[in-house]
Amino acid sequence: GNSVTQMEGPVTLSEEAFLTINCTYTATGYPSLFWYVQYPGEGLQLLLKATKADDKGSNKGFEATYRKETTSFHLEKGSVQVSDSAVYFCALSDLDSGGSNYKLTFGKGTLLTVNP
Amino acid sequence: DTEVTQTPKHLVMGMTNKKSLKCEQHMGHRAMYWYKQKAKKPPELMFVYSYEKLSINESVPSRFSPECPNSSLLNLHLHALQPEDSALYLCASSQTGVENEKLFFGSGTQLSVL
Repeated sequence: GNSVTQMEGPVTLSEEAFLTINCTYTATGYPSLFWYVQYPGEGLQLLLKATKADDKGSNKGFEATYRKETTSFHLEKGSVQVSDSAVYFCALSDLDSGGSNYKLTFGKGTLLTVNP
Repeated sequence: DTEVTQTPKHLVMGMTNKKSLKCEQHMGHRAMYWYKQKAKKPPELMFVYSYEKLSINESVPSRFSPECPNSSLLNLHLHALQPEDSALYLCASSQTGVENEKLFFGSGTQLSVL
């Protein structure tokens, strides 16, 4: 079955530090890969996505590249801000066992705290 | 309008109560989802409706009963819940559910079962 493994954290950084959150996946098909972010007390928001190998997703200074050879989709940001403090979920989307609907499989989430 | 609206935001119920969670979207999406999220855990898929038909039920206990009255609304009826059902219940929607699409999530209903 499909699975996502991500760095569990928590991760604590100072403002303007470089961020990497590792994510690797196992999938039987050709999944799309996503990073979602959850701010305190809120639902999840899509941060970025990539639909095929070597695609790079980017948004708000965050980037991740779909690496099929290493089955990875690591999240990076060059200079984090206090407002980036949140929980980050790596996820993959693939067809369910019935073959007619797509399902998201989430990693366990990584809590990021950025201090001023 | 790119919002998924969930009501109520908070709900406290006893084990003998019957209550309902509501979710609404006006983006013209034809797939709607219920997820359950325990504290410090990822969301777990419960149900998927695609074109108003139940297409995925992840072996959820029958004390949770979903309903999709039309393409904009999704309900989750709750009856005889257990304290371990306390969690954040998230609704989401996507365009069709049959492609690799972005999901739009609501802010959730924080449910406490006493």
